[in-house]
Amino acid sequence: DTEVTQTPKHLVMGMTNKKSLKCEQHMGHRAMYWYKQKAKKPPELMFVYSYEKLSINESVPSRFSPECPNSSLLNLHLHALQPEDSALYLCASSQARDRVYSPLHFGNGTRLTVT
Amino acid sequence: SQQGEEDPQALSIQEGENATMNCSYKTSINNLQWYRQNSGRGLVHLILIRSNEREKHSGRLRVTLDTSKKSSSLLITASRAADTASYFCAMEDYGGSQGNLIFGKGTKLSVKP
Repeated sequence: DTEVTQTPKHLVMGMTNKKSLKCEQHMGHRAMYWYKQKAKKPPELMFVYSYEKLSINESVPSRFSPECPNSSLLNLHLHALQPEDSALYLCASSQARDRVYSPLHFGNGTRLTVT
Repeated sequence: SQQGEEDPQALSIQEGENATMNCSYKTSINNLQWYRQNSGRGLVHLILIRSNEREKHSGRLRVTLDTSKKSSSLLITASRAADTASYFCAMEDYGGSQGNLIFGKGTKLSVKP
């Protein structure tokens, strides 16, 4: 079992809905990430938080809004999504972001379907 | 910017055989990592090899790195049906956002019992 917990496992939402994805880790990691993965594709980086501060936003549309309330929690707020946003959303954490890169620990993801 | 390419895209073998997957990349790296992803699940870190290392072992896994050719290989020996998964190499992207992990396109491995 993974040490990064994501909820919900599955989510179906309409294009006018507002929903949130949640991610939690208790490994004391200070970097947390959101990745988006389409079917048969590699994960693509969306956001990076380092020490609870947003350090990277990979040109993600504003309908995706990340939040890091504390060092253990990471949220992704969703609003006015499009059907093409349907994907597996993966949360990950690592000890720190530095040159000697520490491995990522992934959750099992939230399977999002936008109708 | 950094980009990883795995080869082959798909690999089907019998249980007990060895599986070899290759990864090529474009720009200099500090380290290269390999991850496994079972269908519909998160990725699991397998092994990290630093740029000054040439070979690394972990159980049935053997990873090599050739920085002159900008390539790495992952060998799984004595494969099992449970090894069926997609395998991704990953490396940092220095051309874009510094220090971010960029994943290759992956190799889908199927091990038949």
